[in-house]
Amino acid sequence: GQQLNQSPQSMFIQEGEDVSMNCTSSSIFNTWLWYKQDPGEGPVLLIALYKAGELTSNGRLTAQFGITRKDSFLNISASIPSDVGIYFCAGGETGANSKLTFGKGITLSVRP
Amino acid sequence: DAGITQSPRHKVTETGTPVTLRCHQTENHRYMYWYRQDPGHGLRLIHYSYGVKDTDKGEVSDGYSVSRSKTEDFLLTLESATSSQTSVYFCAISGTVVYEQYFGPGTRLTVT
Repeated sequence: GQQLNQSPQSMFIQEGEDVSMNCTSSSIFNTWLWYKQDPGEGPVLLIALYKAGELTSNGRLTAQFGITRKDSFLNISASIPSDVGIYFCAGGETGANSKLTFGKGITLSVRP
Repeated sequence: DAGITQSPRHKVTETGTPVTLRCHQTENHRYMYWYRQDPGHGLRLIHYSYGVKDTDKGEVSDGYSVSRSKTEDFLLTLESATSSQTSVYFCAISGTVVYEQYFGPGTRLTVT
């Protein structure tokens, strides 16, 4: 099946720093989404992208749909302690009957 | 927050026993999904439903069955639980914007 690659598995940053993470695939997706999961909870949708090249912001979060449609990027600016969690990317393909393919996630730690 | 509940939230069961997990939504969304989350594997789709009585398999469906007799409820059954099915199970829903899936709080299942 399709795979989305997220690396590294873990990231450690200082409070106030910006952080970028990306998600890559060998296949084309026509939708990219980013989710965040807090410990003990379900993933929460952060941003959804529907058009190649699209850049969308949600507060301190900015995500981009790559021009090749094979990648997406998430940037978090001025990190705060509550940004800690696991960040997942997900891709949707035409004809996939609403199914998403998920990356394995990046665990973000923020040092105060 | 999307109106999704999962029950039970925690369960410990013995190998060989049947287990049913319930997902209930109040959003009247068409699509419902069951995922499992394991360390190193991210979120993997077990089964999904695209309408009442309409279901299909995901990538890790062996050992699981589902039923959806009404819009609001999607049941996941482990006919004979095995230790490899110890996991955290998430239900998700999506509506007219089909790729935007919203997750429930999860059920932690331990099979001893």
